[in-house]
Amino acid sequence: DAKTTQPTSMDCAEGRAANLPCNHSTISGNEYVYWYRQIHSQGPQYIIHGLKNNETNEMASLIITEDRKSSTLILPHATLRDTAVYYCIVRVRGNTPLVFGKGTRLSVIA
Amino acid sequence: DAGVTQSPTHLIKTRGQQVTLRCSPKSGHDTVSWYQQALGQGPQFIFQYYEEEERQRGNFPDRFSGHQFPNYSSELNVNALLLGDSALYLCASSLVQDFEQYFGPGTRLTVT
Repeated sequence: DAKTTQPTSMDCAEGRAANLPCNHSTISGNEYVYWYRQIHSQGPQYIIHGLKNNETNEMASLIITEDRKSSTLILPHATLRDTAVYYCIVRVRGNTPLVFGKGTRLSVIA
Repeated sequence: DAGVTQSPTHLIKTRGQQVTLRCSPKSGHDTVSWYQQALGQGPQFIFQYYEEEERQRGNFPDRFSGHQFPNYSSELNVNALLLGDSALYLCASSLVQDFEQYFGPGTRLTVT
């Protein structure tokens, strides 16, 4: 079973920041927080990961709370192409399987 | 640099038949994982291959089997197909020590 809890769906206006929350209250000290997204009928796409520090890359920012029990994925300027299902996953480093929940369906609206 | 490729794109089979799906990993990757995604659900892990051996397996019956070749490509075989096997089958590749798994576009299997 997935170790994360996410809202089922969210809307965001185009050009605004999309903030997607994730709860992972049972995360272990050696588990990382990963985010993937899946655009309709395509394979999941890796977005970002982090352990305890905030992370930023060209796609998004990841904010992890100090107690590591929750995190937020931020898409700074959402576009229509960001409409997708976003999955928050916790896993240890290495080739452990990804355990997907149902994710958050983000709809970016013009 | 080609990413993960899968074939075929779509496939229609009849109950009881057998099917083979194929995956070529991203260049340089040595590990292949297979996932099944039913409609409206997140992907579920089937198994993972590294050094031509099955290393990890999810909660799937032994009707699901696989193989990895010396060039790191992989096959997923499903025997005695059931209607419930209809799904998108995803292949992901990675390096054993890496954080990220890169997914292919998937094979859509329909069992009638």
